[in-house]
Amino acid sequence: EAGVAQSPRYKIIEKRQSVAFWCNPISGHATLYWYQQILGQGPKLLIQFQNNGVVDDSQLPKDRFSAERLKGVDSTLKIQPAKLEDSAVYLCASSRTRAGELFFGEGSRLTVL
Amino acid sequence: SQQGEEDPQALSIQEGENATMNCSYKTSINNLQWYRQNSGRGLVHLILIRSNEREKHSGRLRVTLDTSKKSSSLLITASRAADTASYFCATDTSGSRLTFGEGTQLTVNP
Repeated sequence: EAGVAQSPRYKIIEKRQSVAFWCNPISGHATLYWYQQILGQGPKLLIQFQNNGVVDDSQLPKDRFSAERLKGVDSTLKIQPAKLEDSAVYLCASSRTRAGELFFGEGSRLTVL
Repeated sequence: SQQGEEDPQALSIQEGENATMNCSYKTSINNLQWYRQNSGRGLVHLILIRSNEREKHSGRLRVTLDTSKKSSSLLITASRAADTASYFCATDTSGSRLTFGEGTQLTVNP
C-alpha cells in the first residue's frame, strides 16, 4: 500500500511569514496526526484528527498554528506568522485505529530565518 | 512534559553486539510502542506491547514490559551497522494519544 505522503520536504522562510504543509494519509486510515520534532528531541503531538473531527489539539499553539482535514482524508497544517522557534520537522502520521500503530511520512523540514 | 524517557541518550556498540535501550514512564498505559528513525527520515513502527503482556519478539527485537516498575526495554540482538538510528518509545495512556520520549541514539560501528 502507498505510504503517507507529505509536501514540501523542505521549506525556508523568514520570520513572520506564513507556511503550509500538506499530508495525504494511507487510504482507509481514519486517524491522522501532526507532530512537531525539534532537532534532537522526540516528536510532540500538535493535533489529532479522527476522520475530519479534531480529537486532541491541546498542544497546538492556536494563535499561530491551524490545521484542517478535508473530507476526512488530506490534511493541511498552517503556521502564520512563523517564529524562529518553529524551526523543526513537521511529521504527519496516520493509523487505522486511535493509538494503534502509526505510519509516518518523511516529514517537512522547516527553517525559519 | 514527556511521558516516556529513554535511557541511555546515546549508545555506541560494535557490530554483532547486543543493544539494550530502556524506557520509563509515569502514568498507567494501555500499550507501549517502539519506533526507529533513521537520520532525516520519518519514524518506523517496530513493535507494540499491550499492558497485559510482559514480553514480545519480532525477529532480532525483544521487548519487555514491567508495569509495576513502569518501564520497558528494547533489546536488539546481533546488531548491524544498518541498525544505526534513533529509537523512541511511545506510550498510550488514554487510548487516543501516543506520547513519545526523547529517544536513544544508537550507533553500530562496523
